[in-house]
Amino acid sequence: GIQVEQSPPDLILQEGANSTLRCNFSDSVNNLQWFHQNPWGQLINLFYIPSGTKQNGRLSATTVATERYSLLYISSSQTTDSGVYFCAVERDYGQNFVFGPGTRLSVLP
Amino acid sequence: DAGVIQSPRHEVTEMGQEVTLRCKPISGHDYLFWYRQTMMRGLELLIYFNNNVPIDDSGMPEDRFSAKMPNASFSTLKIQPSEPRDSAVYFCASMHSTSSYEQYFGPGTRLTVT
Repeated sequence: GIQVEQSPPDLILQEGANSTLRCNFSDSVNNLQWFHQNPWGQLINLFYIPSGTKQNGRLSATTVATERYSLLYISSSQTTDSGVYFCAVERDYGQNFVFGPGTRLSVLP
Repeated sequence: DAGVIQSPRHEVTEMGQEVTLRCKPISGHDYLFWYRQTMMRGLELLIYFNNNVPIDDSGMPEDRFSAKMPNASFSTLKIQPSEPRDSAVYFCASMHSTSSYEQYFGPGTRLTVT
């Protein structure tokens, strides 16, 4: 099956810093999503982005499907950005998403 | 809307017992997903439904697991018999098919099998 890798596995930032999280996948995909899991376990969908670039406030994401990677940018990080960020991909125009292992982000005040 | 509702929030049971997890999706959503999260395996999709019909159950680990969606507002995930390796957080999520694939997750059920 398709393999999903995320880097870095862990990231520690000072509040106000910018960061880039990366998701690599082993095969062509039709769907790609980014999720955030906060320290209390709640999962939130951030972006549906099979290709191109999207922005939502301080967060933006870019997927280059032909090169099999996606990037999540966090600007002016806040302590509330802490948690784990997951990339999930799907190959067959369905909803059977495969999740990466996540990047654990800690933003220090 | 109250969001996706899951019950119970925590469940502790003994090996061999039957466990039933419950989910109420957001009203009007036509997709429902069951996920499992463990330290070893991360987040895994177990099964998903569209309009109450199971579409893909390839993630269901074995015959001890079963899921049903008798109507648009209720789904269950049952484990019988339970085993210690089933200990995990089980998430339910729902989505509307015209919502740009945005899934809304419930708070999860933390299952511990001793």
